[in-house]
Amino acid sequence: GAVVSQHPSWVICKSGTSVKIECRSLDFQATTMFWYRQFPKQSLMLMATSNEGSKATYEQGVEKDKFLINHASLTLSTLTVTSAHPEDSSFYICSARFGHPNEAQHFGDGTRLSIL
Amino acid sequence: RKEVEQDPGPFNVPEGATVAFNCTYSNSASQSFFWYRQDCRKEPKLLMSVYSSGNEDGRFTAQLNRASQYISLLIRDSKLSDSATYLCVVNLMDTGRRALTFGSGTRLQVQP
Repeated sequence: GAVVSQHPSWVICKSGTSVKIECRSLDFQATTMFWYRQFPKQSLMLMATSNEGSKATYEQGVEKDKFLINHASLTLSTLTVTSAHPEDSSFYICSARFGHPNEAQHFGDGTRLSIL
Repeated sequence: RKEVEQDPGPFNVPEGATVAFNCTYSNSASQSFFWYRQDCRKEPKLLMSVYSSGNEDGRFTAQLNRASQYISLLIRDSKLSDSATYLCVVNLMDTGRRALTFGSGTRLQVQP
């Protein structure tokens, strides 16, 4: 069964709206979660690493004020896309790993964001 | 040069065929390796980890050659349900900040 739950799975909203996406680890504690974005026919690109109890670490070119990440507990990380615009339309996926850093990650089922 | 390179395909094969995917990675400090499968408009799902000793899971065999920085995936007796995009994924461990690095994926279409 799923070990990482992501919600919502699909969002359609107007330009200028802020959208919050939740990522939950089920039955395990994830001190680190990751947020990715995938544009059509492209690979997943890491946006940021979310660390429980501390600030997220953003990849180069990702605006931290635009993509707010909060990892308030060991089982929940949230990504808020602030003042979303059509170019933010994408597939957003979170992942978490448990155990050793070399272990595989497990992904949430993704959020398809469409900004009109 | 991309950190993880894959042939984008698509690979169109008949049912029952054997198909091989190749992948190269550029950073010799990479520490762990995986193949993920991604169906259209879905999240990636772990197919298998890849080890230097090679590993097999049913019809799937993965191989890692660290000296050549090369990873392979072999699928035998292809099924229609194997149709998907196969992602070669590398984990570069540097204090845990860096997550997985994905290849752009190889699309497989198994035809009846």
